[in-house]
Amino acid sequence: DAKTTQPNSMESNEEEPVHLPCNHSTISGTDYIHWYRQLPSQGPEYVIHGLTSNVNNRMASLAIAEDRKSSTLILHRATLRDAAVYYCILRDGWGDKIIFGKGTRLHILP
Amino acid sequence: EAQVTQNPRYLITVTGKKLTVTCSQNMNHEYMSWYRQDPGLGLRQIYYSMNVEVTDKGDVPEGYKVSRKEKRNFPLILESPSPNQTSLYFCASNTGTANQPQHFGDGTRLSIL
Repeated sequence: DAKTTQPNSMESNEEEPVHLPCNHSTISGTDYIHWYRQLPSQGPEYVIHGLTSNVNNRMASLAIAEDRKSSTLILHRATLRDAAVYYCILRDGWGDKIIFGKGTRLHILP
Repeated sequence: EAQVTQNPRYLITVTGKKLTVTCSQNMNHEYMSWYRQDPGLGLRQIYYSMNVEVTDKGDVPEGYKVSRKEKRNFPLILESPSPNQTSLYFCASNTGTANQPQHFGDGTRLSIL
C-alpha cells in the first residue's frame, strides 16, 4: 500500500498563504492524491484531489510535482477556521484499502 | 441531504458487553468503511466493504466484526469490548472509485470501562 509522509505540525499567520507538503515517493501511475481536513470535534472532510495536473477549487489548490512524488496543498489566504489536521492520502483504484496516517496539524496565528 | 449517519454518538459501556455501532448512508455508495482515531495515531482503517456481502480487513481489524447485508448499512460490532477499544470511530462511504471523495459521519466516541 502506497504511503505518504507529512510534517507533524505547521504554523501560519492569518490572512497569509499556507503551503502544506506531502511526500509520496512510492506513488504508482494510477494513484490519485486526495487531501482531507479534520476540524476540531468533527469528522474528516474532503478538500481536493488530483492525478497529474494542478487542481483548484473553492477551498484550496493542489500542486502536484512533475514526477508525482510530492504534492502541496495551498490555502491561499488562511483564516482561523482553517486550523485543523490535514491528511494527504493516495487512492489506487476500485475498492482499495485506504491509509490515512497522522496528518499535519495546522495552527493559524491571529 | 447527502449524509453518513452514525449511532450512537457517545457510548460508555463495560468490558465484555456486546455492542453495535450503526452506520447508514443515503448516497447509494458502493464502498463503506470504518476507522478508529486515537491520539497520536491518526485515522486507522478497521474494515471496509466494496459491496453487499463483501468485506475486507483494514489495518486494525482485531476485536471487530462488520456486516454488509444492505448497501446503505454497515454496522460495526464489538462482540466482547475491551478497554483498548476505547476510541473515536468514524464511518465513511464513497462510490468506490479512486477519483471520488469519501464522505464521513460525525463520529462515535466509545468508552469501554
